[in-house]
Amino acid sequence: DAGVTQSPTHLIKTRGQQVTLRCSPKSGHDTVSWYQQALGQGPQFIFQYYEEEERQRGNFPDRFSGHQFPNYSSELNVNALLLGDSALYLCASEADGPGGDTQYFGPGTRLTVL
Amino acid sequence: AQSVTQLGSHVSVSEGALVLLRCNYSSSVPPYLFWYVQYPNQGLQLLLKYTSAATLVKGINGFEAEFKKSETSFHLTKPSAHMSDAAEYFCAVSEAGNTPLVFGKGTRLSVIA
Repeated sequence: DAGVTQSPTHLIKTRGQQVTLRCSPKSGHDTVSWYQQALGQGPQFIFQYYEEEERQRGNFPDRFSGHQFPNYSSELNVNALLLGDSALYLCASEADGPGGDTQYFGPGTRLTVL
Repeated sequence: AQSVTQLGSHVSVSEGALVLLRCNYSSSVPPYLFWYVQYPNQGLQLLLKYTSAATLVKGINGFEAEFKKSETSFHLTKPSAHMSDAAEYFCAVSEAGNTPLVFGKGTRLSVIA
């Protein structure tokens, strides 16, 4: 049973560019959340997708947007990249409903903005 | 708003010694509590969770944690440290299933031979 997968593993961009990160949830999971982990910090919640809609959002600017596809996979898009966007971006998936109380994380995408 | 405080950004123990990583939380509703471990250049792996069942929770790799409501704590322990336990440990809280996790800043555990 494949766990949560993310691509790419690493990415280098320059300021002002746009980036798209991808996530495939664990089998049987329909809810996907994205987190940003800056160096030396704990992960911070960006947003959560369920049924192809953004269900909840953390304190991140509109430059951060996302999408969920019918197969439950998800994308995170960041526009107008800033140096401060350099971080490890983590995707987590879980099952919706009473049985879904645990988020499982992927290996992350390391984004470096130069 | 929920929050998590992890006391000690770095803990160092000898191999075979007790591991104790501290976590205190703040929540206006009965919390769900989690411990995750992160090895270098990897994602987060779930160690254990508390979701209002037994207050003493056993997880993987010999770790356990006890939920103490009166102390708003959820400390992580392991009786005997192993070299392979060296990693970053994160405590997290959420209100319920399918709600965002709020993480602490993490505690780096070093194990000395």
